Amino acid sequence: QLQLQESGSGLVKPSQTLSLTCAVSGGSISSGAYTWSWIRQPPGKGLEWIGYTYDTGSTYYSPSLKSRVTISVDRSRNQFSLKLSSVTAADTAVYYCGRSSGHIVVVTNWGQGTLVTVSS
Amino acid sequence: QSALTQPASVSGSPGQSITISCTGASSDVGGYNYVSWYQQHPGKAPKLVIFEVTNRPSGVSNRFSGSKSGNTASLTISGLQAEDEADYYCSSYTTSSTLVLFGGGTRLTVL
Repeated sequence: QLQLQESGSGLVKPSQTLSLTCAVSGGSISSGAYTWSWIRQPPGKGLEWIGYTYDTGSTYYSPSLKSRVTISVDRSRNQFSLKLSSVTAADTAVYYCGRSSGHIVVVTNWGQGTLVTVSS
Repeated sequence: QSALTQPASVSGSPGQSITISCTGASSDVGGYNYVSWYQQHPGKAPKLVIFEVTNRPSGVSNRFSGSKSGNTASLTISGLQAEDEADYYCSSYTTSSTLVLFGGGTRLTVL
């Protein structure tokens, strides 16, 4: 059974870079049939799609975050990562990683989520 | 681009049916059958309950069904149960560079 687990710093200072990793277990990130996404949810608010990567390293980012986001994949470690630079309080959110089967909007598997707080 | 429009809240009694709407545009909901619905319980990750407008993932109760008319997609839950109380989000592909839109979410209360 596929499992996704986010990890990374839960507290980031303003203007610094948020870094998270999603470890994939129970399946291979290199299968080629899926897309691997990052989605976030500010406290008490709705979901916001950040971007996705294929196992090849090809990526697509939300235009609203594109200038600050990097998503990368590490096939040898069976994981993928998110970096968000120049963070502000508005980036405080629960960050989820997910796997899509078929179209990108079909996120069939989700990590449990990790809260990242931006504060000095 | 604006998020898809959902009612903030809906409610129903056990055993009843409810419908949650998700309104977009011809460039997203109305133009493609790439609409998904997610259920989210407090403090938990979202769970896919409907994909491609009408399809249910394996393991999801057949009390959940989806449909679409024009630019509005709908999620119907029949035979409401207490466990259905949760937030529900729709999501759609869009031709804009945003690529993926989410609705603002609907809180379902089972009375």
